[in-house]
Amino acid sequence: ETGVTQTPRHLVMGMTNKKSLKCEQHLGHNAMYWYKQSAKKPLELMFVYNFKEQTENNSVPSRFSPECPNSSHLFLHLHTLQPEDSALYLCASSQTSGSNTGELFFGEGSRLTVL
Amino acid sequence: QQQVKQSPQSLIVQKGGISIINCAYENTAFDYFPWYQQFPGKGPALLIAIRPDVSEKKEGRFTISFNKSAKQFSLHIMDSQPGDSATYFCAAVISGGYNKLIFGAGTRLAVHP
Repeated sequence: ETGVTQTPRHLVMGMTNKKSLKCEQHLGHNAMYWYKQSAKKPLELMFVYNFKEQTENNSVPSRFSPECPNSSHLFLHLHTLQPEDSALYLCASSQTSGSNTGELFFGEGSRLTVL
Repeated sequence: QQQVKQSPQSLIVQKGGISIINCAYENTAFDYFPWYQQFPGKGPALLIAIRPDVSEKKEGRFTISFNKSAKQFSLHIMDSQPGDSATYFCAAVISGGYNKLIFGAGTRLAVHP
């Protein structure tokens, strides 16, 4: 596996379900991100982990719970979601040491549908 | 102040034509301006980027023009090809620590043969 991989690629869940999204990066990066992508809206930064420490939480509802057990893995735990949470959830990674190029490496995303 | 405004929302160009996408920002703390390209079913990928001390950067058919005083930058795709059909996002970065990117809303480009 190379780059950033996300599983599952598609997920349908009811509002009372609990599910998790998984992200793994094989690039040796030290920062990992969760973004939400909705139609016709800018990508919304949700969470950032830098060296496994959460450094950003953009006022995300508590029904989204991130977990970063090590610098290669990132999870997004989902519970009691709302239909408006249906979106593409993108994981990304970057290297923050050395020169900062502003480059994020994205996975292909997990398409979430909340019924 | 943290917003990046992108236009147009969608763009149709004939093969061989020039595609132009514009972005504007307010926060002067931004110090790096990348463009990302996203194909259906894929995540965004870095296409080209520019720093504010440069007015233009060209890579192949893709050119970024940057106007620091107007706080605007644009992407030009010369000789547009059907394979360029994708969604393009501009972004602005505040460096330091991790990469904090603020994205525009995206432009869906369709290049017709």
